Amino acid sequence: AQSVTQLDSHVSVSEGTPVLLRCNYSSSYSPSLFWYVQHPNKGLQLLLKYTSAATLVKGINGFEAEFKKSETSFHLTKPSAHMSDAAEYFCVVSKTDSWGKLQFGAGTQVVVTP
Amino acid sequence: EPEVTQTPSHQVTQMGQEVILRCVPISNHLYFYWYRQILGQKVEFLVSFYNNEISEKSEIFDDQFSVERPDGSNFTLKIRSTKLEDSAMYFCASSGGLNMNTEAFFGQGTRLTVV
Repeated sequence: AQSVTQLDSHVSVSEGTPVLLRCNYSSSYSPSLFWYVQHPNKGLQLLLKYTSAATLVKGINGFEAEFKKSETSFHLTKPSAHMSDAAEYFCVVSKTDSWGKLQFGAGTQVVVTP
Repeated sequence: EPEVTQTPSHQVTQMGQEVILRCVPISNHLYFYWYRQILGQKVEFLVSFYNNEISEKSEIFDDQFSVERPDGSNFTLKIRSTKLEDSAMYFCASSGGLNMNTEAFFGQGTRLTVV
C-alpha cells in the first residue's frame, strides 16, 4: 500500500521569496514520486519526477524536489516565487513499475502576493 | 505539444441518466486512465486500460462504470445510471512506451454535475 500526505493545504508567499511545499509518503514498494501542478481551468501538468535515480530532482519552471528516504519526504521547493506559480500542487506516489496508477495527496493551494 | 483532450468541459445530468465522458489521448500512447476528484477530496484512481481491456480498477469502479476505446482514438467513460455522489471532476490520462515506464499526461477534466 502507498499514500502521500501533503502537510499544508494552503501556502501563501510573497513574490520573489522561496516556496516550500511539504510532502511525506509511505510505500510498501520502491516508490516513484511526482509533483503535478494544476492551474485554474487547466489539466494536471507534471512538474518533476523521482524514479530511484538522483535524489535531487529538477523540474520545470525552476522547481526542484529532494527525495529523502530516511525522512520519507519529497518536498518541493523554488528559490523565488513568481505570480504565475499560483496554482494547486499535488504530490503523487506510484509503484515504480506501474506509473499509471497514481496515488494523489490532498493538494496544496499556493497563493502568491505581490 | 501533444495533449490529452476531454469533452465536454462541463456536463450537467439528471440522476439516473446515462452519461458518456470523452477523451482523446495522445496519439502514440498505449495506456489510458480515468481519475476523478470529488469536490474537496483527493484525486482518485478509477481504472486503467491497455490493449483494449481493463488492466486495473479501483473499488469505486463498479458495474455502473464502463470504459471503451471505440475507434482507436477516443477513450470513453460511461456511467450507466448516475447518482448524486458521482458529481466530480473526471480526468482522463494517457502514457506511452513499451512498458509503463513513462509519466501520465492528463486532460483538463470534465466537471460532471448530477442533479
